[in-house]
Amino acid sequence: NAGVTQTPKFQVLKTGQSMTLQCAQDMNHNSMYWYRQDPGMGLRLIYYSASEGTTDKGEVPNGYNVSRLNKREFSLRLESAAPSQTSVYFCASKPGQGFTDTQYFGPGTRLTVL
Amino acid sequence: ELKVEQNPLFLSMQEGKNYTIYCNYSTTSDRLYWYRQDPGKSLESLFVLLSNGAVKQEGRLMASLDTKARLSTLHITAAVHDLSATYFCAEASSTGTASKLTFGTGTRLQVTL
Repeated sequence: NAGVTQTPKFQVLKTGQSMTLQCAQDMNHNSMYWYRQDPGMGLRLIYYSASEGTTDKGEVPNGYNVSRLNKREFSLRLESAAPSQTSVYFCASKPGQGFTDTQYFGPGTRLTVL
Repeated sequence: ELKVEQNPLFLSMQEGKNYTIYCNYSTTSDRLYWYRQDPGKSLESLFVLLSNGAVKQEGRLMASLDTKARLSTLHITAAVHDLSATYFCAEASSTGTASKLTFGTGTRLQVTL
């Protein structure tokens, strides 16, 4: 039981390049989330998916797209990376509506955009 | 817009001392969460507070919730070096189809010998 896994762990991009961050969970959770963490700003929600087939914008969605591929996987895509997207990205999951709000976090992806 | 404020942002304390981290949140939520993050690591759930007056304790950490004051506290008793980490509080809210967590900016705790 691996919990929440993220790939890659580290990535360096040049401005304008695109990439997809992958997230998978093996806990049969319904809801999944993408956050970014910047120094002094805590975690900010980018997008979330309440259940398979649905996605919604969070606090800072501009410059990102997401896909809830199936119940296990939730990917985050940067179409044209900008230096302002340099951050640590965390994926999280939780059982679903009506259950605990406790989210379980992946190990993070450290992204640098030059 | 939900807003969660923590203070202090940085806390340096000696081993054996007591201290409290404060978390103020903006809505009438009665669901408040505390997480711990070690440097370069992910977030780990510490406490779940689900009602006014809720108190949870684990070792040297005790968390409480006052929904009327929109305040949660994390009290550290007789700090030890192993408690050095960043602590986040998070307020839960529901959107109808999902619940979300709004995180504070974090309190970086450094316990010195």
